[in-house]
Amino acid sequence: AQKITQTQPGMFVQEKEAVTLDCTYDTSDQSYGLFWYKQPSSGEMIFLIYQGSYDEQNATEGRYSLNFQKARKSANLVISASQLGDSAMYFCAMRDLTGGGNKLTFGTGTQLKVEL
Amino acid sequence: GAVVSQHPSWVICKSGTSVKIECRSLDFQATTMFWYRQFPKQSLMLMATSNEGSKATYEQGVEKDKFLINHASLTLSTLTVTSAHPEDSSFYICSARISGGSYEQYFGPGTRLTVT
Repeated sequence: AQKITQTQPGMFVQEKEAVTLDCTYDTSDQSYGLFWYKQPSSGEMIFLIYQGSYDEQNATEGRYSLNFQKARKSANLVISASQLGDSAMYFCAMRDLTGGGNKLTFGTGTQLKVEL
Repeated sequence: GAVVSQHPSWVICKSGTSVKIECRSLDFQATTMFWYRQFPKQSLMLMATSNEGSKATYEQGVEKDKFLINHASLTLSTLTVTSAHPEDSSFYICSARISGGSYEQYFGPGTRLTVT
């Protein structure tokens, strides 16, 4: 069974600083995908970034980058130049790609607060 | 593009009644939709996978007779919570995958259900 672990229930960062949100995963599958989603207090899930298990380069999307260390089974999210609007809950998720699977398994999330 | 709506955004119902939540893909066709449940300050838990024109696949521990899912068209899936009880109060989120598209799931804004 797949498992996602986010060990930081809460994080604080000062505006304009960079922050790393940790995510480790456990799977026996060779083919999988890793996602990060942002959930503001309004509740909607906003897709941030995706990393496939066979991607050799770390994914980047604007201020978001994913530090993918396959041997360590970690997929940490790095947010550069934090903004007040980045304050939200962040979830790491994994999708099983074998057998055409579509299911996402989510971690418990990290509440990020950006301070002035 | 790839917008998913949910209706209603919030609902209060009395214990013992049923409530229907709609999930619509507004600008794309979705063969597959997913229903998640999220308790306060917790992660999203997949309840079921809804496939157009066929029966939904429920996750272990989810009562299919209590949470009725109908995916009657390529743009609409409904979740009906039957004989609701206070413990069913939760945030219900749907997501949709573009037919023939890639891995990404597009999430709706969620429906907050309160059973009194």
